[in-house]
Amino acid sequence: GNSVTQMEGPVTLSEEAFLTINCTYTATGYPSLFWYVQYPGEGLQLLLKATKADDKGSNKGFEATYRKETTSFHLEKGSVQVSDSAVYFCALPMGNTPLVFGKGTRLSVIA
Amino acid sequence: DAGVTQSPTHLIKTRGQQVTLRCSPKSGHDTVSWYQQALGQGPQFIFQYYEEEERQRGNFPDRFSGHQFPNYSSELNVNALLLGDSALYLCASSLRQGLSTNEKLFFGSGTQLSVL
Repeated sequence: GNSVTQMEGPVTLSEEAFLTINCTYTATGYPSLFWYVQYPGEGLQLLLKATKADDKGSNKGFEATYRKETTSFHLEKGSVQVSDSAVYFCALPMGNTPLVFGKGTRLSVIA
Repeated sequence: DAGVTQSPTHLIKTRGQQVTLRCSPKSGHDTVSWYQQALGQGPQFIFQYYEEEERQRGNFPDRFSGHQFPNYSSELNVNALLLGDSALYLCASSLRQGLSTNEKLFFGSGTQLSVL
């Protein structure tokens, strides 16, 4: 079945640093790919998505490109802020079932 | 426009007890999915309800059951609680419409269940 593997956290960065969170996937076909974010005490929110190979999803300064060749969907941001501190989840659908999530990567940004 | 609301926010139970968690979907949504998120892990799919029937189910035992009401709200029931059932239980709603059903999920803030 479809699955995702995320880099282990936690990740601690200084404000304005560059962020990369790695995500690789295993899938049948070419499903849409997603990044969700979970702020402290809240549920998950969709951050961005890409629906086909070479698509770039972007939102709030975050970007991720659907790489078919490397089966990857790495999340990047050029300059992180303290308010970006959260847990980030890579996800994809599995057949007719709802999204399958990775284990999550906790990001802490310090001023 | 209210988003997905879940109740209660926190719950403490003892082993062997039964628990019921509740979810009201986002306005206009007709499909409810439940997830279990253990500490430090990603959400795991439990089951999905549409038209008051369980449509999809993840790898969870029969102790986990659910219900959907005509107003699309939903309940998650867990019987014979185990210590390992301690987790954040998330409800997600969507509109049944092709791929959007399983892709455009809106999550509630969850119910934190502690089993002692």
